[in-house]
Amino acid sequence: DGGITQSPKYLFRKEGQNVTLSCEQNLNHDAMYWYRQDPGQGLRLIYYSQIVNDFQKGDIAEGYSVSREKKESFPLTVTSAQKNPTAFYLCASSPLGTAREKLFFGSGTQLSVL
Amino acid sequence: AQSVAQPEDQVNVAEGNPLTVKCTYSVSGNPYLFWYVQYPNRGLQFLLKYITGDNLVKGSYGFEAEFNKSQTSFHLKKPSALVSDSALYFCAVRDDRGSTLGRLYFGRGTQLTVWP
Repeated sequence: DGGITQSPKYLFRKEGQNVTLSCEQNLNHDAMYWYRQDPGQGLRLIYYSQIVNDFQKGDIAEGYSVSREKKESFPLTVTSAQKNPTAFYLCASSPLGTAREKLFFGSGTQLSVL
Repeated sequence: AQSVAQPEDQVNVAEGNPLTVKCTYSVSGNPYLFWYVQYPNRGLQFLLKYITGDNLVKGSYGFEAEFNKSQTSFHLKKPSALVSDSALYFCAVRDDRGSTLGRLYFGRGTQLTVWP
């Protein structure tokens, strides 16, 4: 099955702790994205990557970090600097090269603070 | 700047009635427009897109959307709503002249409830 896999489905963070959300895709897509979803606020872009070893900040990158060492993987770390991390996090991917392409989404990770 | 507005947080319709979920957009160049649906605790699923051509676009699950350039709108429609259509709907836009070709800009979402 081709698709995007996010893990874990639920994650709990303690005060001062960094946590990492996993995102893997086997669609051979070049571009990958992380969105944060809060009730009533829609989707806000955290980071995106259009190619391996390169990524750009989105609208709300503070308190987050990413890496793109492999084409199929784009993990997101929520650092202790992110003071309000409770949200639903969505990873997405798309082919590169045209703005006509849709995004494919994973099933999300719900992060909560203990 | 690119942006999307979904003016209604909630839309309620009776099963069997037509439904409309509204979306307006703002881009510098020509718009590429998308609709996605989200069921509780799940990712977004693609419904349909407008790139060019016919202003009426047909998509999954009987949904369609009408592109109106003069009104900068891309409303989602369905002739006969089902209870199973109840979900959160997102409109999104890309600018064909954007330097960040990968970015989609999303609206805040509209919760559709179809009651029996």
